Amino acid sequence: AQRVTQPEKLLSVFKGAPVELKCNYSYSGSPELFWYVQYSRQRLQLLLRHISRESIKGFTADLNKGETSFHLKKPFAQEEDSAMYYCALKFGNTGKLIFGQGTTLQVKP
Amino acid sequence: GAGVSQTPSNKVTEKGKYVELRCDPISGHTALYWYRQSLGQGPEFLIYFQGTGAADDSGLPNDRFFAVRPEGSVSTLKIQRTERGDSAVYLCASSLAGQGTYEQYFGPGTRLTVT
Repeated sequence: AQRVTQPEKLLSVFKGAPVELKCNYSYSGSPELFWYVQYSRQRLQLLLRHISRESIKGFTADLNKGETSFHLKKPFAQEEDSAMYYCALKFGNTGKLIFGQGTTLQVKP
Repeated sequence: GAGVSQTPSNKVTEKGKYVELRCDPISGHTALYWYRQSLGQGPEFLIYFQGTGAADDSGLPNDRFFAVRPEGSVSTLKIQRTERGDSAVYLCASSLAGQGTYEQYFGPGTRLTVT
């Protein structure tokens, strides 16, 4: 069955420290993976997708099919990165998304 | 331009009552999705519309839940005989199409509380 796992509910780091938010998936087909972010009192929004291979706000994520992972990384965390982050898997031909449970990133000054 | 809007933003109802939640997608978006987010969880897929038809309703938990999109734009999620376990944030998202690599844009959600 399709599944997305984010093992950490909370990740707390100091400003300037590196950040890695973990995401593992289970899917028998060709995966299409996303990271969504929800800042305080804002709606859920797309951060990045693996097919774009782009860096957004300094964040990158590489799809590792061997390890079935799509970890989100940033070399130097900023206080404004504090938010809830969700990893999501798109499957089927309808575009529906399966989300992980989410990780709260807290960047301390 | 205007994003996805949802009304009401909050709804408190008593157990056993009927509720309707409304979603206004971005103009021109043919694909519309409903998700439910329980406390401490990620959003969970409920139903997908392509145009006016429900192309995938596999996520609806039971027959108390129903959704319509009669003109291919606004959608209404209907919940009959509400239960306390239905309490959650109901999210709507729209995209240009379901197939392909189109981004889903989310609304602010409706927080439903069943007392």
